[in-house]
Amino acid sequence: KAGVTQTPRYLIKTRGQQVTLSCSPISGHRSVSWYQQTPGQGLQFLFEYFSETQRNKGNFPGRFSGRQFSNSRSEMNVSTLELGDSALYLCASRADRVQETQYFGPGTRLLVL
Amino acid sequence: GQNIDQPTEMTATEGAIVQINCTYQTSGFNGLFWYQQHAGEAPTFLSYNVLDGLEEKGRFSSFLSRSKGYSYLLLKELQMKDSASYLCAVRDLRIQGAQKLVFGQGTRLTINP
Repeated sequence: KAGVTQTPRYLIKTRGQQVTLSCSPISGHRSVSWYQQTPGQGLQFLFEYFSETQRNKGNFPGRFSGRQFSNSRSEMNVSTLELGDSALYLCASRADRVQETQYFGPGTRLLVL
Repeated sequence: GQNIDQPTEMTATEGAIVQINCTYQTSGFNGLFWYQQHAGEAPTFLSYNVLDGLEEKGRFSSFLSRSKGYSYLLLKELQMKDSASYLCAVRDLRIQGAQKLVFGQGTRLTINP
């Protein structure tokens, strides 16, 4: 079974621009979560989607948004990029049985100049 | 709120044993995960504990004490490839069905020959 895939793997943007990142979960997994990882803050939860609905949200500003499609693929968008948004963005999927483990994709490394 | 503490860095010798501790304070606790993350790569699942006690999986074992808010990851017969960051994460399940993993800052483990 193929793992979680994320595109693009690397991205360079400038302040003020917006960016859209994509995540395809493991086949059969219906829950997708997004995380931001930085050296200073570590791994922080952004949001979780299930059946095209956001079920949970972390403490990030409204510039960070996401969505999920009927095939469980998910996108996250960051508008009006700031230098501090430079990070590794990780997507994780799970089957959505309560005790299921999350499996992470390789991440998208975003650099904001 | 949630607070997860683990040592920032540890060093051990090839062939030895190392224990990485994690303490947590959180509401809505519903399990503790350990992930391994090599530099530049995504976290990979190592172990999961929801009940008190020891879970053994090959060279890796994880222990949980819910009453003490404490867990440890034990790595035996250390190999050079075990050099990585080890992330402790607590699952917060206050919203039914929703899953949010709260991560510690990670412990960077260096294995010396």
